[in-house]
Amino acid sequence: AQSVTQPDIHITVSEGASLELRCNYSYGATPYLFWYVQSPGQGLQLLLKYFSGDTLVQGIKGFEAEFKRSQSSFNLRKPSVHWSDAAEYFCAALTGGGNKLTFGTGTQLKVEL
Amino acid sequence: KAGVTQTPRYLIKTRGQQVTLSCSPISGHRSVSWYQQTPGQGLQFLFEYFSETQRNKGNFPGRFSGRQFSNSRSEMNVSTLELGDSALYLCASSSDPSGNTGELFFGEGSRLTVL
Repeated sequence: AQSVTQPDIHITVSEGASLELRCNYSYGATPYLFWYVQSPGQGLQLLLKYFSGDTLVQGIKGFEAEFKRSQSSFNLRKPSVHWSDAAEYFCAALTGGGNKLTFGTGTQLKVEL
Repeated sequence: KAGVTQTPRYLIKTRGQQVTLSCSPISGHRSVSWYQQTPGQGLQFLFEYFSETQRNKGNFPGRFSGRQFSNSRSEMNVSTLELGDSALYLCASSSDPSGNTGELFFGEGSRLTVL
């Protein structure tokens, strides 16, 4: 079955430090992959997406992600974290007709000042 | 441009009752999807509607149903509520008529508590 795994439930980083959130997928074909962010009490917002082509994709708010087929990974990175980045981050894959997304369990990011 | 609007934002029901949640997509968006978010199960796909037709359905019992109107507004209904239905229900809209983009715009959700 198609699945998305986020191994880290919680991550704490200091403001200004770099960030990497891990995501692994299990999918036969080339997947369409996404990162969404959810701030407390809010809906989800799309950070970036990968469909094909360049394996390093840029997103909003200074985030980027790299697709590595050999590792079945799509990790999210940011060179310098801001306190406002504290939120829950979800990796997702398009797994059905239309816009059906399968989400990972999420990684809660805490930023220490 | 207004975002995705969900009503009500919060509601409390008792077991056995039924509930209807409403979603107004971004103007011009014809695809509306619904997701259930719980601490235990995470984000799970319920169904997607496009042009008043259900295009995809997740693995939920028949107590969960939805519909879409000609103006693209959507409603979901849960009948015979169970305690486990307590969740944040998220609606999302998409502008791509062919689907297969996964670029969803989410509302803030309707938080349902079942007592």
